Amino acid sequence: EVQLVESGGGWVEPGGSLRLSCANSGFTFSNAWMSWVRQAPGKGLEWVALIKTKTYGGATDYAAPVKGRFTISRDDSKNKLYLQMNSLRTEDTAIYYCVTVDSSGYYSLDYWGQGALVTVSS
Amino acid sequence: QSVLTQPPSVSGAPGQRVTISCTGSSSNIGAGYDVHWHQQVPGTAPKLLIYGNNKRPSGVPDRFSGSKSGTSASLVITGLQAEDEADYYCQSYDTSLSGFYVFGAGTKVTVL
Repeated sequence: EVQLVESGGGWVEPGGSLRLSCANSGFTFSNAWMSWVRQAPGKGLEWVALIKTKTYGGATDYAAPVKGRFTISRDDSKNKLYLQMNSLRTEDTAIYYCVTVDSSGYYSLDYWGQGALVTVSS
Repeated sequence: QSVLTQPPSVSGAPGQRVTISCTGSSSNIGAGYDVHWHQQVPGTAPKLLIYGNNKRPSGVPDRFSGSKSGTSASLVITGLQAEDEADYYCQSYDTSLSGFYVFGAGTKVTVL
Protein backbone atom coordinates (compact mmCIF):
# COMPACT_ATOMS: atom_id res chain seq x y z
CA GLU A 1 0.00 0.00 0.00
CA VAL A 2 1.35 3.41 -1.00
CA GLN A 3 1.81 5.73 1.97
CA LEU A 4 3.04 9.31 2.06
CA VAL A 5 3.32 10.96 5.47
CA GLU A 6 4.16 14.65 5.78
CA SER A 7 5.68 16.24 8.87
CA GLY A 8 7.30 19.50 9.91
CA GLY A 9 4.31 21.81 9.60
CA GLY A 10 3.57 24.48 12.18
CA TRP A 11 3.41 28.19 12.89
CA VAL A 12 6.07 30.64 11.74
CA GLU A 13 6.32 34.41 11.55
CA PRO A 14 6.53 36.21 8.20
CA GLY A 15 10.08 36.12 6.90
CA GLY A 16 10.80 32.88 8.73
CA SER A 17 11.74 29.41 7.48
CA LEU A 18 10.32 25.92 7.79
CA ARG A 19 11.25 22.52 6.35
CA LEU A 20 8.64 19.94 5.48
CA SER A 21 9.44 16.24 5.18
CA CYS A 22 7.52 13.43 3.50
CA ALA A 23 8.20 9.79 4.35
CA ASN A 24 7.26 7.34 1.62
CA SER A 25 6.57 3.62 1.50
CA GLY A 26 4.79 1.04 -0.64
CA PHE A 27 6.49 2.02 -3.90
CA THR A 28 10.00 2.43 -5.32
CA PHE A 29 10.64 6.01 -4.24
CA SER A 30 13.85 6.39 -6.25
CA ASN A 31 11.87 5.77 -9.46
CA ALA A 32 9.14 8.30 -8.67
CA TRP A 33 8.80 11.91 -9.66
CA MET A 34 7.48 13.84 -6.67
CA SER A 35 5.69 17.12 -6.09
CA TRP A 36 4.36 19.39 -3.38
CA VAL A 37 0.85 20.79 -3.83
CA ARG A 38 -0.73 23.27 -1.41
CA GLN A 39 -4.22 24.33 -0.47
CA ALA A 40 -4.86 27.64 1.29
CA PRO A 41 -7.73 27.63 3.82
CA GLY A 42 -11.04 27.34 1.99
CA LYS A 43 -9.33 27.53 -1.41
CA GLY A 44 -8.40 25.23 -4.27
CA LEU A 45 -5.29 23.25 -5.10
CA GLU A 46 -2.05 24.88 -6.24
CA TRP A 47 1.01 23.03 -7.53
CA VAL A 48 4.19 24.22 -5.80
CA ALA A 49 7.23 22.21 -6.90
CA LEU A 50 8.42 19.11 -8.75
CA ILE A 51 11.53 16.95 -8.52
CA LYS A 52 12.38 14.29 -11.05
CA THR A 53 14.42 11.15 -10.51
CA LYS A 54 18.20 10.75 -10.80
CA THR A 55 17.61 9.37 -14.29
CA TYR A 56 16.50 12.89 -15.19
CA GLY A 57 19.31 14.46 -13.22
CA GLY A 58 17.01 15.20 -10.28
CA ALA A 59 15.71 18.24 -12.19
CA THR A 60 13.42 20.60 -10.29
CA ASP A 61 10.68 23.06 -11.25
CA TYR A 62 8.78 25.62 -9.20
CA ALA A 63 5.58 27.61 -9.41
CA ALA A 64 6.19 31.33 -9.92
CA PRO A 65 4.94 32.41 -6.43
CA VAL A 66 7.57 30.29 -4.65
CA LYS A 67 10.50 30.35 -7.06
CA GLY A 68 13.65 31.57 -5.35
CA ARG A 69 12.19 31.05 -1.86
CA PHE A 70 11.35 27.32 -1.76
CA THR A 71 13.66 24.37 -2.49
CA ILE A 72 12.47 20.82 -3.16
CA SER A 73 14.90 17.96 -2.57
CA ARG A 74 14.95 14.23 -2.07
CA ASP A 75 16.99 11.59 -0.26
CA ASP A 76 16.46 8.30 -2.07
CA SER A 77 18.47 6.41 0.57
CA LYS A 78 15.88 7.44 3.18
CA ASN A 79 12.81 7.41 0.90
CA LYS A 80 12.17 11.01 1.86
CA LEU A 81 11.05 14.16 0.11
CA TYR A 82 11.66 17.65 1.50
CA LEU A 83 10.49 21.21 0.98
CA GLN A 84 12.66 23.96 2.42
CA MET A 85 10.59 27.13 2.69
CA ASN A 86 12.38 30.45 3.27
CA SER A 87 11.20 34.07 3.39
CA LEU A 88 7.71 32.86 4.20
CA ARG A 89 4.77 35.16 3.58
CA THR A 90 1.25 35.16 5.01
CA GLU A 91 -0.03 34.00 1.63
CA ASP A 92 2.01 30.80 2.00
CA THR A 93 -0.38 29.67 4.74
CA ALA A 94 -1.81 26.37 3.52
CA ILE A 95 -1.96 22.62 3.86
CA TYR A 96 1.02 21.21 1.97
CA TYR A 97 0.54 17.81 0.33
CA CYS A 98 3.29 15.45 -0.80
CA VAL A 99 2.21 13.83 -4.09
CA THR A 100 3.57 11.24 -6.52
CA VAL A 101 3.72 12.33 -10.15
CA ASP A 102 3.21 10.14 -13.19
CA SER A 103 6.27 10.13 -15.42
CA SER A 104 4.94 7.87 -18.17
CA GLY A 105 3.26 10.65 -20.12
CA TYR A 106 -0.05 11.20 -18.37
CA TYR A 107 1.33 13.97 -16.09
CA SER A 108 -1.20 13.02 -13.44
CA LEU A 109 -0.78 13.54 -9.69
CA ASP A 110 -1.39 10.05 -8.44
CA TYR A 111 -1.01 9.44 -4.70
CA TRP A 112 -1.49 12.11 -2.03
CA GLY A 113 -0.30 12.32 1.55
CA GLN A 114 -2.59 13.53 4.34
CA GLY A 115 -1.02 16.99 4.36
CA ALA A 116 0.89 19.24 6.76
CA LEU A 117 -0.50 22.60 7.87
CA VAL A 118 1.79 25.62 7.61
CA THR A 119 0.59 28.84 9.22
CA VAL A 120 2.49 32.08 8.53
CA SER A 121 1.32 34.81 10.86
CA SER A 122 2.61 37.46 13.22
CA GLN B 1 -7.75 32.87 -11.00
CA SER B 2 -7.43 29.23 -12.05
CA VAL B 3 -6.01 28.17 -15.41
CA LEU B 4 -8.80 25.60 -15.88
CA THR B 5 -12.43 26.71 -15.53
CA GLN B 6 -15.01 24.69 -13.61
CA PRO B 7 -18.51 25.53 -12.37
CA PRO B 8 -18.46 26.37 -8.64
CA SER B 9 -21.21 23.91 -7.80
CA VAL B 10 -23.57 21.27 -9.13
CA SER B 11 -26.23 19.29 -7.34
CA GLY B 12 -28.49 16.33 -7.86
CA ALA B 13 -30.76 13.92 -6.08
CA PRO B 14 -29.59 10.42 -5.20
CA GLY B 15 -29.59 8.24 -8.31
CA GLN B 16 -29.37 11.16 -10.70
CA ARG B 17 -26.61 11.97 -13.17
CA VAL B 18 -24.44 15.06 -12.78
CA THR B 19 -21.80 16.48 -15.12
CA ILE B 20 -18.87 18.72 -14.24
CA SER B 21 -17.16 20.61 -17.04
CA CYS B 22 -13.53 21.70 -17.21
CA THR B 23 -12.43 24.23 -19.84
CA GLY B 24 -8.83 24.94 -20.67
CA SER B 25 -6.85 26.49 -23.50
CA SER B 26 -4.35 25.81 -26.25
CA SER B 27 -1.47 25.62 -23.76
CA ASN B 28 -2.96 22.77 -21.73
CA ILE B 29 -5.96 20.63 -22.69
CA GLY B 30 -6.02 21.98 -26.24
CA ALA B 31 -2.33 21.12 -26.64
CA GLY B 32 -3.22 17.46 -26.22
CA TYR B 33 -2.37 17.03 -22.55
CA ASP B 34 -4.56 14.64 -20.62
CA VAL B 35 -7.12 15.70 -18.04
CA HIS B 36 -7.30 14.10 -14.61
CA TRP B 37 -9.91 14.43 -11.88
CA HIS B 38 -9.38 14.47 -8.12
CA GLN B 39 -12.04 14.01 -5.46
CA GLN B 40 -11.70 15.73 -2.08
CA VAL B 41 -14.15 14.76 0.63
CA PRO B 42 -14.36 17.59 3.21
CA GLY B 43 -11.59 17.37 5.80
CA THR B 44 -9.54 14.83 3.86
CA ALA B 45 -6.75 14.82 1.28
CA PRO B 46 -7.53 14.75 -2.43
CA LYS B 47 -7.66 11.39 -4.18
CA LEU B 48 -7.11 10.61 -7.86
CA LEU B 49 -10.47 9.66 -9.37
CA ILE B 50 -9.87 9.65 -13.15
CA TYR B 51 -6.58 9.80 -15.02
CA GLY B 52 -5.72 9.98 -18.70
CA ASN B 53 -9.11 11.58 -19.49
CA ASN B 54 -11.18 8.45 -18.93
CA LYS B 55 -9.30 5.82 -16.90
CA ARG B 56 -10.27 4.80 -13.39
CA PRO B 57 -7.63 3.78 -10.83
CA SER B 58 -8.28 0.50 -9.10
CA GLY B 59 -11.11 0.77 -6.59
CA VAL B 60 -12.91 3.73 -8.17
CA PRO B 61 -16.56 2.85 -8.88
CA ASP B 62 -17.63 2.73 -12.52
CA ARG B 63 -20.34 5.34 -11.91
CA PHE B 64 -17.52 7.86 -12.38
CA SER B 65 -16.50 8.48 -16.00
CA GLY B 66 -14.49 11.09 -17.85
CA SER B 67 -14.13 12.40 -21.35
CA LYS B 68 -12.18 15.04 -23.25
CA SER B 69 -12.78 16.95 -26.47
CA GLY B 70 -10.84 19.88 -27.86
CA THR B 71 -10.02 22.30 -25.04
CA SER B 72 -12.58 20.85 -22.61
CA ALA B 73 -13.24 17.81 -20.49
CA SER B 74 -16.10 16.45 -18.42
CA LEU B 75 -16.60 14.27 -15.37
CA VAL B 76 -19.90 12.43 -15.16
CA ILE B 77 -21.30 10.80 -12.05
CA THR B 78 -24.17 8.45 -12.83
CA GLY B 79 -26.33 7.06 -10.03
CA LEU B 80 -25.31 9.80 -7.58
CA GLN B 81 -24.79 8.59 -4.02
CA ALA B 82 -24.59 10.42 -0.69
CA GLU B 83 -20.90 9.62 -0.34
CA ASP B 84 -20.19 11.41 -3.62
CA GLU B 85 -20.73 14.77 -1.91
CA ALA B 86 -17.28 16.33 -2.22
CA ASP B 87 -15.17 18.83 -4.12
CA TYR B 88 -13.94 17.75 -7.55
CA TYR B 89 -10.88 19.25 -9.23
CA CYS B 90 -9.77 18.84 -12.82
CA GLN B 91 -6.02 18.87 -13.46
CA SER B 92 -3.83 18.97 -16.53
CA TYR B 93 -0.35 19.95 -17.69
CA ASP B 94 0.44 23.41 -19.02
CA THR B 95 3.28 24.75 -21.09
CA SER B 96 2.76 28.45 -20.44
CA LEU B 97 4.11 30.46 -17.51
CA SER B 98 1.12 29.44 -15.38
CA GLY B 99 2.99 26.51 -13.90
CA PHE B 100 3.33 22.99 -15.11
CA TYR B 101 0.59 21.18 -13.21
CA VAL B 102 -2.59 23.23 -13.30
CA PHE B 103 -5.96 22.83 -11.62
CA GLY B 104 -9.49 24.08 -11.90
CA ALA B 105 -10.91 25.97 -8.92
CA GLY B 106 -12.99 22.97 -7.94
CA THR B 107 -16.67 22.06 -8.15
CA LYS B 108 -18.71 21.33 -5.05
CA VAL B 109 -21.12 18.45 -5.64
CA THR B 110 -24.13 18.48 -3.34
CA VAL B 111 -26.40 15.47 -3.01
CA LEU B 112 -29.90 16.78 -2.34
